[in-house]
Amino acid sequence: AQRVTQPEKLLSVFKGAPVELKCNYSYSGSPELFWYVQYSRQRLQLLLRHISRESIKGFTADLNKGETSFHLKKPFAQEEDSAMYYCALSTGFQKLVFGTGTRLLVSP
Amino acid sequence: DVKVTQSSRYLVKRTGEKVFLECVQDMDHENMFWYRQDPGLGLRLIYFSYDVKMKEKGDIPEGYSVSREKKERFSLILESASTNQTSMYLCASIPTYGAVTEAFFGQGTRLTVV
Repeated sequence: AQRVTQPEKLLSVFKGAPVELKCNYSYSGSPELFWYVQYSRQRLQLLLRHISRESIKGFTADLNKGETSFHLKKPFAQEEDSAMYYCALSTGFQKLVFGTGTRLLVSP
Repeated sequence: DVKVTQSSRYLVKRTGEKVFLECVQDMDHENMFWYRQDPGLGLRLIYFSYDVKMKEKGDIPEGYSVSREKKERFSLILESASTNQTSMYLCASIPTYGAVTEAFFGQGTRLTVV
């Protein structure tokens, strides 16, 4: 069965500290993974996708097939990074399975 | 910009009422989805549709139905609302072309069933 696990409900860091939001997946096929973000009072939106291998707003994520992980990282957190982050797995046919989400709180 | 619009931001309904949540997208996407978003549970897929008049059950379809009479509109129906359906409901649309790309979400409808 396809599953996405985000073990942390809340991650609280100080401004300037490194951030790592964990995501593990379970899928028998070739995975396509995404990170979505929801800022306060805004709609859920795509942050980045593994296939693009890009850095968005300083965030990066590397797909590790051996560990079935897709952790989101940023070397220096900013207050404006405070948001809800969801890891998502594409199971084909444009269908997405989401994790339970991690709330990132960046304090000054 | 792709726009996905949900008809209501907030709704309060009584137990047993029939409730309609409407979603419209303006980018001619074939694929549309309804999720509910609950703290600690993330987004769970209720129903989805790959084309007009097509529908597929997601992971939690019980108590819900959908309608897709036009490509741009995907409606979620709560046949007889219950308090455990109090939640945030999110509509999303995804284009078919290429690999799975970006899902575009509506602003959400917060439904309270009393």
